[in-house]
Amino acid sequence: GENVEQHPSTLSVQEGDSAVIKCTYSDSASNYFPWYKQELGKRPQLIIDIRSNMDKRQGQRVTVLLNKTVKHLSLQIAATQPGDSAVYFCAENMRDDYKLSFGAGTTVTVRA
Amino acid sequence: DSGVTQTPKHLITATGQRVTLRCSPRSGDLSVYWYQQSLDQGLQFLIQYYNGEERAKGNILERFSAQQFPDLHSELNLSSLELGDSALYFCASSASWTGDIQYFGAGTRLSVL
Repeated sequence: GENVEQHPSTLSVQEGDSAVIKCTYSDSASNYFPWYKQELGKRPQLIIDIRSNMDKRQGQRVTVLLNKTVKHLSLQIAATQPGDSAVYFCAENMRDDYKLSFGAGTTVTVRA
Repeated sequence: DSGVTQTPKHLITATGQRVTLRCSPRSGDLSVYWYQQSLDQGLQFLIQYYNGEERAKGNILERFSAQQFPDLHSELNLSSLELGDSALYFCASSASWTGDIQYFGAGTRLSVL
């Protein structure tokens, strides 16, 4: 559960378009995957999460997909708005490990 | 507002000094987690307490220690500070001890000069 690779590191999208961020985790024992949004100088905010017994979860304009076979995770932000500009982190939590391991983050910039 | 309170918001100190960061979890949450966020290291887990007991440890330096008190607030003590300890320190809390659904406080920005 120590290695979470996240890409791209930066992403620039036109307002109204979709943004997609991908993560790869290494441990098949990981069972909980949250996504956090962090605006400049602010706290990480939980925006959506998914557990290993699901392969898709939708929120308001956000969708997370989980492919346990290849240990891939993705976040899609639909109809992006300027307020979506932030750093997004994926994370994983292994059963019985009690901690979150974070990806390096993706800086999303929404162009007006 | 996540309901997790951290004080102080900013701390400026000198190398070799000792500081204490404080965290009050959300009402009803028994777990407290401490993270360090620096530009080159991202968000790194330091330590977790659940209902007063240490549950998990990350790459926390021996110069750092923490505790959780009976009222569930937690303190992170950083001693013999070095320039490289300058970072944002976040506290998060959750209801369970399993590590999921964590809510973060606003953080303490530590500057070591």
